[in-house]
Amino acid sequence: EAAVTQSPRNKVTVTGGNVTLSCRQTNSHNYMYWYRQDTGHGLRLIHYSYGAGNLQIGDVPDGYKATRTTQEDFFLLLELASPSQTSLYFCASSDRAGNSDYTFGSGTRLLVI
Amino acid sequence: KTQVEQSPQSLVVRQGENCVLQCNYSVTPDNHLRWFKQDTGKGLVSLTVLVDQKDKTSNGRYSATLDKDAKHSTLHITATLLDDTATYICVVGDRGSALGRLHFGAGTQLIVIP
Repeated sequence: EAAVTQSPRNKVTVTGGNVTLSCRQTNSHNYMYWYRQDTGHGLRLIHYSYGAGNLQIGDVPDGYKATRTTQEDFFLLLELASPSQTSLYFCASSDRAGNSDYTFGSGTRLLVI
Repeated sequence: KTQVEQSPQSLVVRQGENCVLQCNYSVTPDNHLRWFKQDTGKGLVSLTVLVDQKDKTSNGRYSATLDKDAKHSTLHITATLLDDTATYICVVGDRGSALGRLHFGAGTQLIVIP
């Protein structure tokens, strides 16, 4: 079954710590996305990618890096984590941007203390 | 500035009752609108997508409407079940191409009680 799998499910780190969130999709989709979800806000786009080696900046990229190593794998990197990055992070994939269907992962809850 | 506003913010209904969720937006252009269901601690699952200027869709107990002139959409849930307890998120896509972006509402939290 086509899916988007995120790991870890939960993560706690200290301020200034280094965190990598992982996402793998088995949908054979070209497009992958990283979002954050905070109470009272809609999902906000951090980074996205059209394919392996490609990276596009989203709407809230500050403090985040991303890397798309293969068509399947998309990573979000927080090199100096801050408490403001405490959030629920979602990865998604689609076969093309636009009105095609999106598949979301189950999320990674990150707490920066 | 929030471009997708959902109401109510939260809603409690009794099992078996019907409910209506609202979505107003200012996104331009508005290529399509999608409703997602998000169970607590889970990812988003697409319920329906609306594309036409005045569109209607039906998916089991879920039905939705879109009026692009009014920039307004509704999601109707008929004969609610306890499993309908979730957050429902309205998302507007500004284009139908690789240049498009999704604009997310903050969601309506629906609680269905016995």
